Amino acid sequence: RKEVEQDPGPFNVPEGATVAFNCTYSNSASQSFFWYRQDCRKEPKLLMSVYSSGNEDGRFTAQLNRASQYISLLIRDSKLSDSATYLCVVASGYALNFGKGTSLLVTP
Amino acid sequence: NAGVTQTPKFQVLKTGQSMTLQCAQDMNHNSMYWYRQDPGMGLRLIYYSASEGTTDKGEVPNGYNVSRLNKREFSLRLESAAPSQTSVYFCASSTGSLNTEAFFGQGTRLTVV
Repeated sequence: RKEVEQDPGPFNVPEGATVAFNCTYSNSASQSFFWYRQDCRKEPKLLMSVYSSGNEDGRFTAQLNRASQYISLLIRDSKLSDSATYLCVVASGYALNFGKGTSLLVTP
Repeated sequence: NAGVTQTPKFQVLKTGQSMTLQCAQDMNHNSMYWYRQDPGMGLRLIYYSASEGTTDKGEVPNGYNVSRLNKREFSLRLESAAPSQTSVYFCASSTGSLNTEAFFGQGTRLTVV
């Protein structure tokens, strides 16, 4: 079983929609959690860290549920520029473990 | 701001050839990583170096070797390339502390024929 599991999508949503991505992880000792964004044929870049209390950055909200080993990302008021692949990342020790990514396409 | 620099950006190898992918970071980071990314497989960790002088295997180390030459540089070597190693390779670095992000290079697109 892969350490980090994500629904690959694709999620096709209209502009302005709210969309949520989920991620589960298997290592209960995991210490740090992130969402990265990857555009086509580009390197991954940090979107936001995920904290136990939940955190928000503009239109993006991340939640962590340690008991269920579950992470979520909510995007409100989707923009065309949000189209990308969203990668769930879990750190166990020094290793960063990536999910396969969830593909989002925002359409006009 | 260079960040993480990988060379080369593209490479075509014949089966059995060897090559070294170079990676350097200028952020004084302690930890460095090599990943490969394949369609439908996501990013998989090949090797990592938690700090200068140490290296550890990741999820898919077979067929690869690494060298942490100094704090800045972390190279990945393919001794005898195979078609299964056709992939996009990303180098990354981080401070190594909790809750700090990893920064990625632009990737090396390797094709083994």
